[in-house]
Parts: sequence; C-alpha cells; structure tokens
Amino acid sequence: QSVLTQPPSISGAPGQRVTISCTGSSSNIGAGYDVQWYQQLPGTAPKLLICANTIRPSGVPDRFSGSKSGTSASLAINGLQAEDEADYYCQSFDSSLRGVFGGGTKVTVL
Amino acid sequence: EVQLLESGGALVQPGGSLRLSCAASGFTFSSHAMSWVRQAPGKGLEWVSTISSSGGGTYYDDSVRGRFTISRDDSKNTLYLQMNSLRDEDTAVYYCARTRSASWWFDPWGQGTLVTVSS
Repeated sequence: QSVLTQPPSISGAPGQRVTISCTGSSSNIGAGYDVQWYQQLPGTAPKLLICANTIRPSGVPDRFSGSKSGTSASLAINGLQAEDEADYYCQSFDSSLRGVFGGGTKVTVL
Repeated sequence: EVQLLESGGALVQPGGSLRLSCAASGFTFSSHAMSWVRQAPGKGLEWVSTISSSGGGTYYDDSVRGRFTISRDDSKNTLYLQMNSLRDEDTAVYYCARTRSASWWFDPWGQGTLVTVSS
C-alpha cells in the first residue's frame, strides 16, 4: 500500500488532455512538502518530469504541467502523444523522515 | 554530463548479504545527498534509503532499517548500500539517484542493478 494514492491507469486519445491525481496526507503533501512527478518508459529508469510541484526541468515538453492544492497534486498532459505512453509516479517527503511515492499510473494512448 | 552507474546486483540466497555500488560522475558528488530507490518486478517505486551530503544523516524505510546500511566515499565519488539478512521481498531493481532539496527529489537516476533473493 503506497503512502500517496494514484489511479492505477488512465487512457486517452492522441491530442486529448489527461490528468493524474496524487493524494497524500497532512504529514507529507499537506505539510507543505513539494511534489515531484517521474515518467518511466518501458524498460528504462525513471526520469524527473516535474519538481517542486510545478517546475519542468530543462528538456521536458511544456505539454506536461503540475499543480498542488492542500493534500493533493495533479499532473496534466495536454495534447497526449503516443510517446507519452508510460508509467507516471508522484513523490514527496514525509515528516517521518522518509521519501514517499505513489503507486504509479499507467497511461495508455488509444 | 551527470552520470550514475550502479553495480553489484546478483542472485543471493535468503539470509545472505550483498553490497551495491553507485559510481557518480559529472557533478560535485560531495555536495549532494544521495538515495537508493527500488522497484520489485512489475511493481512501483519504493524509497529505500537516503544519505546526507556530509554522510552524517542516514535515513531508512522501516522495511530495511537494521538490515541495510547506506554509506558514501566522497574520495571515490561512490555511494554504497550494504544489504544483510536479505529476504525474498528484497528482490528488485535498485536505483541510485542524486537527491535534491528539502523535499528529496531524485534526479538523475542510474540505470539500476538487479538483486534477486531466491534459494
């Protein structure tokens, strides 16, 4: 059971907007700790997609965006593309001094 | 270019020990906290351990505390994970990652090394 809760899967047609939710608690996201998002393409290591809730590292397409409110965060993909088919994980820090991840969301492009 | 290269993964029997290494290059290793994150076959990401830039702070998930030890050798730009009393459920790909900010974001990640615990 992951500390952060994500939907197991979502799907969308090319060009569509999809969002992935990430729900935490008052000891992690709700405590003010930043939320990160990682993309894991099949057979590869995870890659940082969004850091500090909303910041896209250099090289990440601007169709990816992040937001945070209260004890939750979201990742939006605007204009879904075939190469976006991957697993996505949210991550934060918990006041019990541990890193915490969501269970991951598999994005399927129809 | 920032690079992390893990090594040391192997097949080990339950109760056995293994030491993983992560060689870093392309950045000032001694200035950064470092972490290990694992992924069991077909499962999600699980944080394992983090060490501060000074080495004076070490943090562990409850599932490995007392069995695993994280350490670093800044003279060799290398991160280690000593794994003792291994269990079947420790089977996973182990990734090392540079760790940044108070919220511990992980970037970049190494390519991972596979640890299989089985008799």
